Amino acid sequence: GAGVSQSPSNKVTEKGKDVELRCDPISGHTALYWYRQSLGQGLEFLIYFQGNSAPDKSGLPSDRFSAERTGGSVSTLTIQRTQQEDSAVYLCASSLARSTDTQYFGPGTRLTVL
Amino acid sequence: RKEVEQDPGPFNVPEGATVAFNCTYSNSASQSFFWYRQDCRKEPKLLMSVYSSGNEDGRFTAQLNRASQYISLLIRDSKLSDSATYLCVVDFNKFYFGSGTKLNVKP
Repeated sequence: GAGVSQSPSNKVTEKGKDVELRCDPISGHTALYWYRQSLGQGLEFLIYFQGNSAPDKSGLPSDRFSAERTGGSVSTLTIQRTQQEDSAVYLCASSLARSTDTQYFGPGTRLTVL
Repeated sequence: RKEVEQDPGPFNVPEGATVAFNCTYSNSASQSFFWYRQDCRKEPKLLMSVYSSGNEDGRFTAQLNRASQYISLLIRDSKLSDSATYLCVVDFNKFYFGSGTKLNVKP
């Protein structure tokens, strides 16, 4: 079946521009996660959606970052006024619920801020 | 202190060797534990969950030591295809990923 998909796969933008990254989770998965991975680093948690509950935004690094999940399915991560330090791979994952459920990752969006 | 800490490596081993990675976690109330594998420039994929009683999947054995707050991964008879970065993951309300341990298996 279809896995987690993300778009675009690559995004190059200029400093100060806004970007939107999209994630399509596996159908039926109620939990959705966004992570950021800088070159050679581990995954940094950004935000977590679980069903209709209020999202856990505790990992968002600044108020320039926001995310929404419409209809419990597709999610969009928005970065406003991008900075060079925002350059990273942004990974989305989904799972059936949470806790012990396996997270399935999308291929990621490689963001480069010039 | 980071929630999850791993030796970054790299571990360079010959084919057929046995190699072990450890990972320590800071929150004693952590609920679930996993090992993920990440190939270069690819997304992480679940390798195995880690159960209190320990578990084995072919050449891979995972163990949990709650008293000392660490989990381990043992790979026996290493293959070239095992070369990757191995991420330790601990769940306490949300998932915490370690920075990963890089393994290079040489011919």
